[in-house]
Amino acid sequence: EVQLEESGGGLVQPGRSLRLSCAASGFTFDDYAMHWVRQAPGKGLEWVSGISWNSGNIGYADSVRGRFTISRDNAKTSLYLQMNSLRAEDTALYYCAKVLPMILVSGAFDIWGQGTMVTVSS
Amino acid sequence: EIVMTQSPATLSVSPGERATLSCRASQSVSSNLAWYQQKPGQAPRLLSYGAYTRATGIPARFSGSGSGTEFTLTISSLQSEDFAVYYCQQYNNWPLTFGGGTKVEIK
Repeated sequence: EVQLEESGGGLVQPGRSLRLSCAASGFTFDDYAMHWVRQAPGKGLEWVSGISWNSGNIGYADSVRGRFTISRDNAKTSLYLQMNSLRAEDTALYYCAKVLPMILVSGAFDIWGQGTMVTVSS
Repeated sequence: EIVMTQSPATLSVSPGERATLSCRASQSVSSNLAWYQQKPGQAPRLLSYGAYTRATGIPARFSGSGSGTEFTLTISSLQSEDFAVYYCQQYNNWPLTFGGGTKVEIK
């Protein structure tokens, strides 16, 4: 079964850091680009960051560029999001998502995890 | 950044009726447009991509159309399980962007 499982969320004070992880299983992880998408409570979906299969192509939303870093470990079939200088507006459910087409860095997201909640508050 | 605008924000429909959801891009995204369905407490589910290709396992009552800047998701005969929030997303340019969503509710 194709599966993504996020972890690492929690309550953190403004200005602090958190590292999210996404464990993938059931598919050839290093054939696909991966992305992070977040959803603030009661709000819509917001793309955060994406990374190509070989980490050669990386992108960020303006709202997180310079503070967040996406990475992957294909040997461990895992995706990561290092979040620094966290702000209250980063409070959201963070999903990892798999891109549908092989090799391409962008595409529709056909597999999503269940998300991990990040709350930034003092 | 490409801005995706969905309308209406809320659509009230009776079961068995047809629902038409719209999505407009601020500039052309070619056919690089996906639709998702999200129910409360669940992750989004991919309905279609490439503007009109249904994802695996999606019933034929869901159909996408359009290209360039104007797109439509049509649900031909609403079933009880279709009441949810629907999002469009463009993946033609980074940053990838989503529309604000259309909530389809029971009339």
